Amino acid sequence: GAVVSQHPSWVICKSGTSVKIECRSLDFQATTMFWYRQFPKQSLMLMATSNEGSKATYEQGVEKDKFLINHASLTLSTLTVTSAHPEDSSFYICSASLDSRTLHFGNGTRLTVT
Amino acid sequence: SQQGEEDPQALSIQEGENATMNCSYKTSINNLQWYRQNSGRGLVHLILIRSNEREKHSGRLRVTLDTSKKSSSLLITASRAADTASYFCATVFSGNTPLVFGKGTRLSVIA
Repeated sequence: GAVVSQHPSWVICKSGTSVKIECRSLDFQATTMFWYRQFPKQSLMLMATSNEGSKATYEQGVEKDKFLINHASLTLSTLTVTSAHPEDSSFYICSASLDSRTLHFGNGTRLTVT
Repeated sequence: SQQGEEDPQALSIQEGENATMNCSYKTSINNLQWYRQNSGRGLVHLILIRSNEREKHSGRLRVTLDTSKKSSSLLITASRAADTASYFCATVFSGNTPLVFGKGTRLSVIA
């Protein structure tokens, strides 16, 4: 149990376009999901906490207008990278907690902006 | 700032040897967790140790926690090539606060 599905696993887009990444909890309800960003050989940096039915909480330094988060249901959160630039190229990972302690992660999305 | 810091950053061992990774953190924690990440994939939860626990085992994994030194260690015994991955410690301050990850240790197990 506690499977988190993230889609797509990789995406290439042109500079200036927007990309949507989906994160679904398949067999449990997640009122809270977390979005992380990871650069090569680096740690995961928390971008924002996605709360079902309310606004996301963004970490300091993360542009909320650039990284739009929507958590419209208990099983789906989306991250939209708007007006993407090459520096947005990264590995984005979502996670959700089943028991408020451990996190279950999606397999990540590799975004490449050309 | 990141809470956990793993040491070493990279570790290369022969199959069958034991691998030890350390994690230090800065402030009081509710619990500490270890995760594993295969290259280009998400993270998989390995083990959680509470702040009032000192040692925990799970299969070939052994985790210790020293709250006085604000450090934890992860021992993988009888390592296998399939253990090759990055290992991260993560700390939780309280309740639903999100995990804060360290920089990770990249473990390479050579067959």
